[in-house]
Amino acid sequence: ILNVEQSPQSLHVQEGDSTNFTCSFPSSNFYALHWYRWETAKSPEALFVMTLNGDEKKKGRISATLNTKEGYSYLYIKGSQPEDSATYLCASPGGGADGLTFGKGTHLIIQP
Amino acid sequence: NAGVMQNPRHLVRRRGQEARLRCSPMKGHSHVYWYRQLPEEGLKFMVYLQKENIIDESGMPKERFSAEFPKEGPSILRIQQVVRGDSAAYFCASSTSSSNTGELFFGEGSRLTVL
Repeated sequence: ILNVEQSPQSLHVQEGDSTNFTCSFPSSNFYALHWYRWETAKSPEALFVMTLNGDEKKKGRISATLNTKEGYSYLYIKGSQPEDSATYLCASPGGGADGLTFGKGTHLIIQP
Repeated sequence: NAGVMQNPRHLVRRRGQEARLRCSPMKGHSHVYWYRQLPEEGLKFMVYLQKENIIDESGMPKERFSAEFPKEGPSILRIQQVVRGDSAAYFCASSTSSSNTGELFFGEGSRLTVL
């Protein structure tokens, strides 16, 4: 069974501040690391799929890094805005299943 | 290009009845995944299908649950003789390749309530 852990579970951030949170996963038999953004009452939307150690990807004010040797990824949000409020999920395939194993998410609330 | 379509969005069943949940993947996507979200829990993988084939059903309960993705038509997740513990949100996702490298596109989910 693959263990994908995310921390913190929830996070309150002041509008305009930058923030980051963590996803950890087993470093052995690594295939890929996915980040998804899930707004309330909507469906999860892919942010990044990362496969290479040292990968860094960016989409607007959101970026992510990947360390496959130590088994972690960081998601960064620069200059948080209220529309960034969502649950951020990371996921990785493996552990004997072809589907993604998801972490429980980091619930981000941006306070105006 | 329509996204992943799931129906029904909400379904209420009494214990012992059957539930059928449908998922139409995005156009051009041949890989379909079903996930379940139980109350207060994260998304749990159930089954991965390609057209007419079940590739991985390791997350599917052994009894009462089945899934198919026929050559024509939507993928269907079928739950026979539902029990209260089956109450959950069921999400379908599709992609152009396996989740090893391809991002998943999710539907808005089907919420099953078992009375």
